[in-house]
Amino acid sequence: QQQVRQSPQSLTVWEGETAILNCSYEDSTFDYFPWYWQFPRESPALLIAIRPVSNKKEDGRFTIFFNKREKKLSLHITDSQPGDSATYFCAASPYGNEKITFGAGTKLTIKP
Amino acid sequence: GPKVLQIPSHQIIDMGQMVTLNCDPVSNHLYFYWYKQILGQQMEFLVNFYNGKVMEKSKLFKDQFSVERPDGSYFTLKIQPTALEDSAVYFCASSLGGRTGQLYFGEGSKLTVL
Repeated sequence: QQQVRQSPQSLTVWEGETAILNCSYEDSTFDYFPWYWQFPRESPALLIAIRPVSNKKEDGRFTIFFNKREKKLSLHITDSQPGDSATYFCAASPYGNEKITFGAGTKLTIKP
Repeated sequence: GPKVLQIPSHQIIDMGQMVTLNCDPVSNHLYFYWYKQILGQQMEFLVNFYNGKVMEKSKLFKDQFSVERPDGSYFTLKIQPTALEDSAVYFCASSLGGRTGQLYFGEGSKLTVL
């Protein structure tokens, strides 16, 4: 049972374009959504996170857009760089619970 | 940045044997997690641990699994006895602030059960 779904599985964009990574969830008790990125041969690391009180969270070139009604969120990476090439994991955690559920990831490749 | 160390990086054992996977978390962290990843699939939550106790565990955390952190040393995942379906990479993570804090992951322990 996949509670957090990500699409596409892999994505390739050209340097300078905007990459859009999608995530959806089922559990309406989820109230915290971190995104982690993982570079080859490294461990996942926190990139950016959002709570449903906001529908947008921005950090430099990275922006999360959140749609609570549709239970969807997306990560937009503007002016993408080859160094952004990594696997991106959407995760979710419910209120009052320390469990964190990860999606399967989107492998992003930025071509120079 | 802070590092989580996992030992061993790879272990091969026969079905039915016991295995202990060790995790050295970030020194001042309070929350600890184990995740299981089968090749090509997503990282699945197993269990989390705080203040000497299991907080939540998933259906994947079978009766043969146990976790502990004796005397603030390694956070361990023990499987006894092991089964073929336990073959996977096991990731340990630790966090200072729980679910809303950053999780710091180790590089994983690859377990192969023959």
